[in-house]
Amino acid sequence: DQQVKQNSPSLSVQEGRISILNCDYTNSMFDYFLWYKKYPAEGPTFLISISSIKDKNEDGRFTVFLNKSAKHLSLHIVPSQPGDSAVYFCAASRSGGSNYKLTFGKGTLLTVNP
Amino acid sequence: GAGVSQSPSNKVTEKGKDVELRCDPISGHTALYWYRQSLGQGLEFLIYFQGNSAPDKSGLPSDRFSAERTGGSVSTLTIQRTQQEDSAVYLCASSFGGQGAYEQYFGPGTRLTVT
Repeated sequence: DQQVKQNSPSLSVQEGRISILNCDYTNSMFDYFLWYKKYPAEGPTFLISISSIKDKNEDGRFTVFLNKSAKHLSLHIVPSQPGDSAVYFCAASRSGGSNYKLTFGKGTLLTVNP
Repeated sequence: GAGVSQSPSNKVTEKGKDVELRCDPISGHTALYWYRQSLGQGLEFLIYFQGNSAPDKSGLPSDRFSAERTGGSVSTLTIQRTQQEDSAVYLCASSFGGQGAYEQYFGPGTRLTVT
């Protein structure tokens, strides 16, 4: 039973355009969401997060949107750069004693073409 | 500063053998996590250590898996009698105080192949 779903295994965009990565979740107890970026042969690195009390969080070229009613979040990268090419993982956690447990999606491979 | 390091980076073992995977967390991080990523899957939580508290082992898939953390620093994940389904990348992460899931810093992982 996959609680965090990234239904697009891959996405290809042109440099300078917008990249939109999507993530859906089924567990309504999740209240904190994160995006991690992973290059080959490296561990994931934290990118951006959002709490369920917000619907948007922005950090430079990266913006995460949260739609709680739809149990959906998305990561927007504008403008996309070739160095953004990586696997992007969506992760979720719930507050309380087990807030350290992250539930990850399967990832989306983003390719930004020059 | 130094990040999370893991060794070995790759391990090939025969089915039925035991393996040990090592993780050196970032100095000063009191929380340590192990995850597993099987082919085509997301990261799967295995175990969590925080200071001197009892570890959360709820993610370990079977009793063939165990982990320890010595001196609040280095951790070893042991898989006994390895099976082919154990083949995966095993990732270690660390953080301050176990608070704030966003503060988890990952190592590069150990790729385990069971033949």
